[in-house]
Amino acid sequence: DVKVTQSSRYLVKRTGEKVFLECVQDMDHENMFWYRQDPGLGLRLIYFSYDVKMKEKGDIPEGYSVSREKKERFSLILESASTNQTSMYLCASSFSGGIGTYEQYFGPGTRLTVT
Amino acid sequence: DQQVKQNSPSLSVQEGRISILNCDYTNSMFDYFLWYKKYPAEGPTFLISISSIKDKNEDGRFTVFLNKSAKHLSLHIVPSQPGDSAVYFCAANDRGSTLGRLYFGRGTQLTVWP
Repeated sequence: DVKVTQSSRYLVKRTGEKVFLECVQDMDHENMFWYRQDPGLGLRLIYFSYDVKMKEKGDIPEGYSVSREKKERFSLILESASTNQTSMYLCASSFSGGIGTYEQYFGPGTRLTVT
Repeated sequence: DQQVKQNSPSLSVQEGRISILNCDYTNSMFDYFLWYKKYPAEGPTFLISISSIKDKNEDGRFTVFLNKSAKHLSLHIVPSQPGDSAVYFCAANDRGSTLGRLYFGRGTQLTVWP
């Protein structure tokens, strides 16, 4: 079974703190993604990566950065946390091309609260 | 601008009846469509998918229908069960394009009552 794990289920941080969210997948997937989920807004893509050290902006990258130093690990960084970044953060991974289904496998999510 | 739209934020259905969740898309390059199910405090899980070369795909109680000319797909759940109560997301992909990105709708909250 594909497993995507996220470093924390719940996190509380203060405004202005630097926050690291970690995601690890064990299926040798090329693609990895970070989303946030907010009520009424669905899943919004923040950043994604299709290879080690490669990254692409999603729809809402402002206030975030990412790092992918190893294939299995994709980190989301909030440079200076703000209250409007309180959300559920979801990591996902998928194979790239070839198989062509692009089915994404999600982690359990991190509920981040910024106070 | 949203390329995948789920215009009904919520749907309430009695147990045993059919649930029909709808999804529309605008990008004619999309050629693969997926449905995900999400329970509170969990990540979404893949439910069923369909390629644009088909107009129907079944998996047990779940059937997805695709109408390419209308750029519309629907998920049918028959019979509905209380455990089906969750948020359902529709997603689409252009497999000839970049990087495996999926475009998600905003979701429909399905409630199945006894």
